[in-house]
Amino acid sequence: NAGVTQTPKFQVLKTGQSMTLQCAQDMNHNSMYWYRQDPGMGLRLIYYSASEGTTDKGEVPNGYNVSRLNKREFSLRLESAAPSQTSVYFCASSNRGPEHSGANVLTFGAGSRLTVL
Amino acid sequence: SQQGEEDPQALSIQEGENATMNCSYKTSINNLQWYRQNSGRGLVHLILIRSNEREKHSGRLRVTLDTSKKSSSLLITASRAADTASYFCATRGSSNTGKLIFGQGTTLQVKP
Repeated sequence: NAGVTQTPKFQVLKTGQSMTLQCAQDMNHNSMYWYRQDPGMGLRLIYYSASEGTTDKGEVPNGYNVSRLNKREFSLRLESAAPSQTSVYFCASSNRGPEHSGANVLTFGAGSRLTVL
Repeated sequence: SQQGEEDPQALSIQEGENATMNCSYKTSINNLQWYRQNSGRGLVHLILIRSNEREKHSGRLRVTLDTSKKSSSLLITASRAADTASYFCATRGSSNTGKLIFGQGTTLQVKP
């Protein structure tokens, strides 16, 4: 049971280059999320998708786009990478979406470490 | 806009000792969760406590919640070297859309 799978695990980009981080989950979860983790900042929500076909901005969406390709897959795209986007990116999924009144427990992927030079 | 703030930022103890870390938050919450992150890995959910609960146990973990003080604590009893990790609290507000907001984490080192 793979859970949440992210690719690539590591990537180095030059300023201005574009790339897409891929995420797939095999738990039949409805909701998926992209977070970034920076030293001393904890995790910050970039975008989320409460259900297939919907996406919404989180705390730090600028410079990113997302696509909920189907129920399993949620990709994060950097159109023109900047050094400020150097970070570790985590994809997560949950059975219940943020709008659900109950508990929302997240399952995380292993992370993608991105360096922008 | 960080909702949760953990204290201390770093903690170093000997194996067998208890470890206590605290989380403070700013607004009313629906529930509070604790996650663990081993070095170079993703976060793993440990335990959830709802706003109407005061204490919850799971194995060697004990979580308390004081909504009047807007704070929670995570106690790990009889710590092991394998408990070495970063620990994060995450809160879900009662009035917002329910997105989880994570604190900055406490880094715990358990020395064998």
